[in-house]
Amino acid sequence: DAGVIQSPRHEVTEMGQEVTLRCKPISGHDYLFWYRQTMMRGLELLIYFNNNVPIDDSGMPEDRFSAKMPNASFSTLKIQPSEPRDSAVYFCASSPGRATYNEQFFGPGTRLTVL
Amino acid sequence: TQLLEQSPQFLSIQEGENLTVYCNSSSVFSSLQWYRQEPGEGPVLLVTVVTGGEVKKLKRLTFQFGDARKDSSLHITAAQPGDTGLYLCAANRDDKIIFGKGTRLHILP
Repeated sequence: DAGVIQSPRHEVTEMGQEVTLRCKPISGHDYLFWYRQTMMRGLELLIYFNNNVPIDDSGMPEDRFSAKMPNASFSTLKIQPSEPRDSAVYFCASSPGRATYNEQFFGPGTRLTVL
Repeated sequence: TQLLEQSPQFLSIQEGENLTVYCNSSSVFSSLQWYRQEPGEGPVLLVTVVTGGEVKKLKRLTFQFGDARKDSSLHITAAQPGDTGLYLCAANRDDKIIFGKGTRLHILP
């Protein structure tokens, strides 16, 4: 079975450009999470969805970040405009149930570099 | 302030040695998870502990949840190069999973 799929795996862009990260969760999983990982701050939850509905976006750093989940098999995280401080590895994860008691399955991540 | 403090931040030891890493907090949690992350990949769940004082074993890895459910430890016996990676603890707060910054473990052959 395919795990969580993320694309692209690597993205290098210039400051001010729009960046779109994509995620396909595991089929049948009701929860989808977007995380950002840096050496300084570790792994931070940005936003999560339940049945395609955003539940908590309090981790989204600012209005430049937005996330959508138009259907159960696809989600995007968009940064517009991008800034050098957005450079990080962005992970998507999915879970079959509430994260408290269920395993989260992570994708391989997208390494974003903003010059 | 980091909700979950992991120590040590870095650990480099020889193959065959034993080691323990820690995850501490001042908060009480209903459950705690340990994940391992290898370079270029996402974290992978190793174990979930739920009951205070609970001990779970996964081959050479032993996980313990503190009696007060505020802390946890991971002990590795006879470490092998394949144990190299970033070990993350995670706990639920306000219905969200919070991760510690991790212990970066390197096992020297």
